Amino acid sequence: EAEVAQSPRYKITEKSQAVAFWCDPISGHATLYWYRQILGQGPELLVQFQDESVVDDSQLPKDRFSAERLKGVDSTLKIQPAELGDSAMYLCASSLGGQHLSGNTIYFGEGSWLTVV
Amino acid sequence: AQSVTQLDSHVSVSEGTPVLLRCNYSSSYSPSLFWYVQHPNKGLQLLLKYTSAATLVKGINGFEAEFKKSETSFHLTKPSAHMSDAAEYFCVVTPKSSGTYKYIFGTGTRLKVLA
Repeated sequence: EAEVAQSPRYKITEKSQAVAFWCDPISGHATLYWYRQILGQGPELLVQFQDESVVDDSQLPKDRFSAERLKGVDSTLKIQPAELGDSAMYLCASSLGGQHLSGNTIYFGEGSWLTVV
Repeated sequence: AQSVTQLDSHVSVSEGTPVLLRCNYSSSYSPSLFWYVQHPNKGLQLLLKYTSAATLVKGINGFEAEFKKSETSFHLTKPSAHMSDAAEYFCVVTPKSSGTYKYIFGTGTRLKVLA
């Protein structure tokens, strides 16, 4: 069964350092999402791509976070500099269609746990 | 405003007894609704979804949910809990706004299954 691949699974970094997460969506999925999930809460959308274009980054803290999906396939989420409050799970997800489709199922990866010390 | 409310943050049941996880939504029109499950340190897995077809939706692992428009609810049920059902469950609503669909997650319900 096709899966969304993420790496690394776990990352510990010091405050003010840079950190990056990688995601490879399910083959053929045009839409890619990055979510942040703080312990005990539901996922919060950070950024959504349709192919290589950003369609929603309204909740992305753009002063320190950046995301790219250069060829419309895999994606990287970067944080620089990391802050203590960034400690969370970063989930990548993908779906066939985009925001114009009702009932579009999102498939999630295993997540990348970030601890900032 | 569009929203989803999971009425219980924690639910405990004994193994073999029924499970009920409650979800209410607010939407200006009939949205699509999903239930996802998340086991510890794992990503989210789709349990089931409602997309305006049959109001009683069957999912994986014996779970089902019923869409009740009059009550704006989409509660998740299972006749008999298993130890492996212990996890966090998220209700998701996808209301439509300006031609696009947003995925709004509830705050989650942690299900504990007692032996």
